Amino acid sequence: SQELEQSPQSLIVQEGKNLTINCTSSKTLYGLYWYKQKYGEGLIFLMMLQKGGEEKSHEKITAKLDEKKQQSSLHITASQPSHAGIYLCGASLTTDSWGKLQFGAGTQVVVTP
Amino acid sequence: SQTIHQWPATLVQPVGSPLSLECTVEGTSNPNLYWYRQAAGRGLQLLFYSVGIGQISSEVPQNLSASRPQDRQFILSSKKLLLSDSGFYLCAWSVTGGSTDTQYFGPGTRLTVL
Repeated sequence: SQELEQSPQSLIVQEGKNLTINCTSSKTLYGLYWYKQKYGEGLIFLMMLQKGGEEKSHEKITAKLDEKKQQSSLHITASQPSHAGIYLCGASLTTDSWGKLQFGAGTQVVVTP
Repeated sequence: SQTIHQWPATLVQPVGSPLSLECTVEGTSNPNLYWYRQAAGRGLQLLFYSVGIGQISSEVPQNLSASRPQDRQFILSSKKLLLSDSGFYLCAWSVTGGSTDTQYFGPGTRLTVL
């Protein structure tokens, strides 16, 4: 079973609409990373959250880490075709010094006209 | 600025053949380096990581091995490929490897074993 659960697995959103992706763990998230991937390409780093209750935004993408540090959400406002792709959350589930990341299975986002 | 390269971009190999994938990082010194595999329908699986030249840690037992002959070079190898080795291989680097140290990924190598 995945230590990080992402939901939904996929979603189709009309251009201009908002969307939210969730990443949930039964363990404490010591460092939570959001990446975007286009099919067949590498991962592009979006944001990193570390503190409970933290929220970061970049352009139309906002990521939050809940107070208990076991769930994160990624919210896209007024989606555009450029937002299409696979979004992955990755997390450090321990405080080990070398930074092993566990990843969710990813959420595929399709933006329709 | 830092850049990370992987080659080849795609590879088709027969079962039983050897494998060598290369990853190099530019613009940083003594990075932590990582090899991941992304199989169809599954998330990223960490295969190996390295904190320095000649220092390799394996995360899962498998048919693959890794080496770090130079500070910014990371190589993934196999003596005999299996069908199950097919997948998308990603190399990543980070500065310190701490729990809040961002990993940056290369463009990946698509390996198909026939």
